[in-house]
Amino acid sequence: GAVVSQHPSRVICKSGTSVKIECRSLDFQATTMFWYRQFPKKSLMLMATSNEGSKATYEQGVEKDKFLINHASLTLSTLTVTSAHPEDSSFYICSATTSGRAYEQFFGPGTRLTVL
Amino acid sequence: GQNIDQPTEMTATEGAIVQINCTYQTSGFNGLFWYQQHAGEAPTFLSYNVLDGLEEKGRFSSFLSRSKGYSYLLLKELQMKDSASYLCAVTDSNYQLIWGAGTKLIIKP
Repeated sequence: GAVVSQHPSRVICKSGTSVKIECRSLDFQATTMFWYRQFPKKSLMLMATSNEGSKATYEQGVEKDKFLINHASLTLSTLTVTSAHPEDSSFYICSATTSGRAYEQFFGPGTRLTVL
Repeated sequence: GQNIDQPTEMTATEGAIVQINCTYQTSGFNGLFWYQQHAGEAPTFLSYNVLDGLEEKGRFSSFLSRSKGYSYLLLKELQMKDSASYLCAVTDSNYQLIWGAGTKLIIKP
């Protein structure tokens, strides 16, 4: 149980385009979803926290107009990287918690974004 | 500020035992996690400690001392597949997860 999926797993795009990444909880209702990015050989950096039906809470230094987060339902959150640039190339990972186990985050497999 | 320290890299031999330490200073404490992350993959949950003491789960054990702000992850009977990064993370008083930078564990035959 507690499986989280992400789509796509890899994406390559041209500079200036927008990319949408989906995060789904497959067998549970996610009360909260988290979006992280991770650069090579670095730890996870929390970008934002989102609850279903409300606006995401962004971490300091994360541009909310560039990284649009929509948490439309208890099983789906999306991250849209708008007008992507090469410096946005990274590994993006989502995670989710459920009300019964609020202390534990279940991670999706991640999305490798490469911006040319 | 909030801080989690763990060694950057460790090397161990197949079949041996290795202990990865983690020290933390956070605003409040609501639990400590250990995650394993293979290169290019997302983290996977290993253990959760909220009370002092040792939690054993197969070849992996995790220890917590809240008074010392200290935890370790003990891996026994090391296998080549254990080569990965091990991330220590602490949940603070706001239930926000604070991540360490991770320890890269290299297993040699």
